[in-house]
Amino acid sequence: EAEVAQSPRYKITEKSQAVAFWCDPISGHATLYWYRQILGQGPELLVQFQDESVVDDSQLPKDRFSAERLKGVDSTLKIQPAELGDSAMYLCASSPERLNTDTQYFGPGTRLTVL
Amino acid sequence: AQSVTQLDSQVPVFEEAPVELRCNYSSSVSVYLFWYVQYPNQGLQLLLKYLSGSTLVKGINGFEAEFNKSQTSFHLRKPSVHISDTAEYVCAVSARSGNTPLVFGKGTRLSVIA
Repeated sequence: EAEVAQSPRYKITEKSQAVAFWCDPISGHATLYWYRQILGQGPELLVQFQDESVVDDSQLPKDRFSAERLKGVDSTLKIQPAELGDSAMYLCASSPERLNTDTQYFGPGTRLTVL
Repeated sequence: AQSVTQLDSQVPVFEEAPVELRCNYSSSVSVYLFWYVQYPNQGLQLLLKYLSGSTLVKGINGFEAEFNKSQTSFHLRKPSVHISDTAEYVCAVSARSGNTPLVFGKGTRLSVIA
């Protein structure tokens, strides 16, 4: 069964350092999402891609976060510089289209700890 | 905008007992509703979703949920739980129209006790 891949699974960094997370969606899925899940909270959307284009990044802290999906396949989420409050689980998900009825398929996540 | 409330952060239940996990939502427009499950060290997996039609939705692993529009609820139920059902259960809502993002609740930790 096809799965969403994410790496690394765990990342520990010091504040002010740069970190990057990678996501490979299910083959053929046009839509890719990055979520942040703070401990005890539900996932919150950071950015949504349709193919290589950003369709929603309204909740992305653009002063320090960036995301790209250059060829419309895999994606990278970067934080520079990292802050203590960025400690969270970063989840990637993909879906076949942009429809609100679509099931989103989630990867295992990257747990970030900022010291 | 939509919001989801899962009042119970943790629900302990004995094996083979029934369970209900509560989910209430708020929205000014019609919605789609979802339940996801997250096992340790795994990503969220769709349990079931309500799009239209019958308000009783059956999902995987013996779970079902009922959409109640008047009470704006979408509670998840299982008549007899197993140890393997121990996981985090997250309710989510999206508006029927427009490209609005999926809004998740905080999740309920179901712990099944032998």
